[in-house]
Amino acid sequence: AQSVSQHNHHVILSEAASLELGCNYSYGGTVNLFWYVQYPGQHLQLLLKYFSGDPLVKGIKGFEAEFIKSKFSFNLRKPSVQWSDTAEYFCAVHQAGTALIFGKGTTLSVSS
Amino acid sequence: NAGVTQTPKFQVLKTGQSMTLQCAQDMNHNSMYWYRQDPGMGLRLIYYSASEGTTDKGEVPNGYNVSRLNKREFSLRLESAAPSQTSVYFCASSELSARGGNEQYFGPGTRLTVT
Repeated sequence: AQSVSQHNHHVILSEAASLELGCNYSYGGTVNLFWYVQYPGQHLQLLLKYFSGDPLVKGIKGFEAEFIKSKFSFNLRKPSVQWSDTAEYFCAVHQAGTALIFGKGTTLSVSS
Repeated sequence: NAGVTQTPKFQVLKTGQSMTLQCAQDMNHNSMYWYRQDPGMGLRLIYYSASEGTTDKGEVPNGYNVSRLNKREFSLRLESAAPSQTSVYFCASSELSARGGNEQYFGPGTRLTVT
């Protein structure tokens, strides 16, 4: 079955630390990739997306993600996190003809 | 634009009761979705509607029914609520982009507790 794996369940960082959240998927063909963020008590919002072209995509709030096709990965990065980045982060993968599949999410806690 | 709206925001049901969660979008999207979110489980697709007049089962459809009332509205019905259906329910909508991407827009969620 198709799946999306997020390696870290809960990440705890201090402000200004660098962030990398892992995401791997199991599909072999062309995929569209997304990272969504859910701030406490809020709904999911799109952070960034990759459809094609430059494998390094930049999103809102200083986040970026790199698509590495050979590793089936789409890791999320931010050079310096802020307290306001505390949220749950979801990786999602879409392949033509299928529904969007979400990973189980990574909770990020940033201490000030 | 309001985007995707859901009602109600909160609901408490007793086991065996029924209810309908409402969802509407004003972005003229063809596709709409219902997910449930449970701790440690991420988002799981219950049902989706690729276009007006069609509905399909997702990963966890048991105990639920849906109606795509028109292009704007997509409702989720629990006919006989069970404690296992305690969850946060999100509605989403999307339109396939020219590149084939399926970016979804989410509603604020309905927090349902079944006692």
